[in-house]
Amino acid sequence: QKEVEQDPGPLSVPEGAIVSLNCTYSNSAFQYFMWYRQYSRKGPELLMYTYSSGNKEDGRFTAQVDKSSKYISLFIRDSQPSDSATYLCAMSASGGSYIPTFGRGTSLIVHP
Amino acid sequence: GAVVSQHPSWVICKSGTSVKIECRSLDFQATTMFWYRQFPKQSLMLMATSNEGSKATYEQGVEKDKFLINHASLTLSTLTVTSAHPEDSSFYICSAPGTGAGGYTFGSGTRLTVV
Repeated sequence: QKEVEQDPGPLSVPEGAIVSLNCTYSNSAFQYFMWYRQYSRKGPELLMYTYSSGNKEDGRFTAQVDKSSKYISLFIRDSQPSDSATYLCAMSASGGSYIPTFGRGTSLIVHP
Repeated sequence: GAVVSQHPSWVICKSGTSVKIECRSLDFQATTMFWYRQFPKQSLMLMATSNEGSKATYEQGVEKDKFLINHASLTLSTLTVTSAHPEDSSFYICSAPGTGAGGYTFGSGTRLTVV
């Protein structure tokens, strides 16, 4: 079993839909959870960064962490074609220079 | 926010030649830099971790003599692909631990094509 599991998709939704992206993990030591967005042939950019369990909201994006279930989610409200990208989850046991473990990414396509 | 500048963004080279990729932290000091390789529709594969002033730490299976990493200063880390072959063609990305908001800041990536 991989440390971080993420469905690669692709996930295709109509514009305006609510998107739910998820990752599961097996390492109970993970405390820091991140979501990155990666456009084709570009480096990933940090979208959300959360510590421990709970919700965090930033504009149309909401990150949710359930440590008891070892499950994290990223919700995108009112999805736009410009949201079409690959979304990678990442997590680490501590912040700073501790090496994060990445999911393989979910490809999202938002069609007009 | 923290910015990592990576150059070149793409490069085509002939088999047997060497290619150097640079990553600079523009507004912060990066004592650590991670180097990744990414194949199409695959996740990031950590190749090595460079630390300023010391030898890089390579992941299992990564040839240290082929992928030379240098972290000469707090703002510059380089990856040199030596004697490149077509199988080295890939997307290479660097990343440094973030500041403030946490997370990791990535460079924009380098698409290497060896012909």
